[in-house]
Amino acid sequence: DTAVSQTPKYLVTQMGNDKSIKCEQNLGHDTMYWYKQDSKKFLKIMFSYNNKELIINETVPNRFSPKSPDKAHLNLHINSLELGDSAVYFCASSQDPTDFYGYTFGSGTRLTVV
Amino acid sequence: LAKTTQPISMDSYEGQEVNITCSHNNIATNDYITWYQQFPSQGPRFIIQGYKTKVTNEVASLFIPADRKSSTLSLPRVSLSDTAVYYCLVVSSGYSTLTFGKGTMLLVSP
Repeated sequence: DTAVSQTPKYLVTQMGNDKSIKCEQNLGHDTMYWYKQDSKKFLKIMFSYNNKELIINETVPNRFSPKSPDKAHLNLHINSLELGDSAVYFCASSQDPTDFYGYTFGSGTRLTVV
Repeated sequence: LAKTTQPISMDSYEGQEVNITCSHNNIATNDYITWYQQFPSQGPRFIIQGYKTKVTNEVASLFIPADRKSSTLSLPRVSLSDTAVYYCLVVSSGYSTLTFGKGTMLLVSP
């Protein structure tokens, strides 16, 4: 069983569209994250949720809206997609917000906006 | 948050020991040093973490000198499958997230 699973793995879409990426973890962790890895391979935190509550919201355009229906799921919805949104988006989870010992990352969703 | 500096790339051959050094001059008292590994098309994977001296697990060893301003990740007898990007992170023991730098691209050749 995959610990942190994301769907879809690949997503190609046109500018202006709205799309969602889903993430689920079966580790029983309380905290989940969305990271973005751009073309230069920098990994940056976007959002963090703890027990369905938003705890970290980095400087991200408000076109990006995370939603956590329960602590095992954290979805990312992106409105009005732009070319610059093309990147690999990684979901991750940890036991709690202070558990830096071992984040578990998903395998990523490669988003290409054309 | 302490900034980290590590080599952009390293080359090695199968069977060799690889040491990747990371400098973190501004590390704070409650900061830990953590290393992650990322294979192409995968998310980062936790390798090892330490505070001071030496830590060893089944994958790697981490050497941290007394001043903690640097650390060295040691991979014994690398294989082709160790080709990956290795990230050195300084993480606060408080409420924080992981901040990734550029990492070191390790290429292991036959």
